[in-house]
Formats: sequence, structure tokens, C-alpha cells
Amino acid sequence: KAGVTQTPRYLIKTRGQQVTLSCSPISGHRSVSWYQQTPGQGLQFLFEYFSETQRNKGNFPGRFSGRQFSNSRSEMNVSTLELGDSALYLCASSLSRWGDGNTIYFGEGSWLTVV
Amino acid sequence: QQQVKQSPQSLIVQKGGISIINCAYENTAFDYFPWYQQFPGKGPALLIAIRPDVSEKKEGRFTISFNKSAKQFSLHIMDSQPGDSATYFCAASGGNKLVFGAGTILRVKS
Repeated sequence: KAGVTQTPRYLIKTRGQQVTLSCSPISGHRSVSWYQQTPGQGLQFLFEYFSETQRNKGNFPGRFSGRQFSNSRSEMNVSTLELGDSALYLCASSLSRWGDGNTIYFGEGSWLTVV
Repeated sequence: QQQVKQSPQSLIVQKGGISIINCAYENTAFDYFPWYQQFPGKGPALLIAIRPDVSEKKEGRFTISFNKSAKQFSLHIMDSQPGDSATYFCAASGGNKLVFGAGTILRVKS
């Protein structure tokens, strides 16, 4: 069974540009959540999607957005990139909503560097 | 109420020793407590998890101890090995909430 797949794995963008990251959940998983991880900052929750609807949102500015498609695949977008957006962006999937006590499985992440 | 407090922030253990990481929560709606292990450059991977109907769960060298009345749970790594050097995150979920601890950087010295 394939795990959570994130693309691209590495990317470099310039300040002011926008970026779109993609996540394919484990087959059969309907919930996708996104996290930002910077050195020493732990896992900062961005959003949770279930059945194409955003169910929870973390404390990030509106430049961060996401969506989920009918096949459960998800994308997140960051507009007007800032240097501080440089981070590892992790996607995780679970069978149903993660708050239901289901195990979530992480992808390898997308490393974003903003220069 | 939604926080999970994890300690210590970092930990150095000699090879063969016991590594202990503690977490505390407040939200009584939490009913699932997983631990994740993350190696540099990789995503976190599920290590072991426990539900509050048991006080202890063991998988190989890894044990979770759970104290429901104190709202605390801990990860014990027995016979710690250099390959266990990683960042460990505890988490708590339930009631449509999922919260991670801040992480513990474990270094096992050979």
C-alpha cells in the first residue's frame, strides 16, 4: 500500500512568488491535514480537509490556503511568499477525521526555500 | 485546554540506557495518544499509540505508560541505541481535535 505522497520534494522560490504543493493520501483515506515545520518550532497545524471541506484551520495568515479534491488529493497554496515561509511542509492522511482517534500518516514533506 | 506539554526539550542518553519522554494534556475529550518518531529530512512516522482504557502498551523496546487520572503519558525507550537518535513527538486526539507536543530531540551516545 503506497504511503502519503507529496510533490515536489524540494523547491526554491523567490520572495513575492506563490507556490502550490500537492499531496496524495493513502488509498481509502479521506482526511488530509497540512503542517508547517521549521527548525525548533515543532509541527504547526495549517488545515484539515475532509470530504472536500476545510474542517479546521490553524493560526496562519490568509496567504496560506488549500483545497481537497473529490479523490481526496489535496493542494496547499502560499501566495506572496516571505522569507519566513521557508520550511518543511508536511501532509498527513487518515481514514476519517483525525480528531476521531484515527492514526494519521505523514508524507516525507516538501522542502520550500524562499530566497 | 488544547495544549499538550512535552518534556524534556532535548535528551542525551548513553547507549543501553533508558530514554523517558513525558507529555501532559488537559482536554478530557482526548482518547487517542500516539507517539511519532522523526529522523532528519523525513516525515514523522507513527511509533506506538495508546488509548486510555489501558495503562501501558509495549512494542519491542518502546513502552507507553498512561496515567488517566493525572492526564499524563510517557514514552520509555529501553536499551536505547544510537539509531534511536531522532525527534519524538507526542500527540493527543479526540473530539475533532488533534494536538502535538513540541517535540523532544533524543541523542543516544555510543
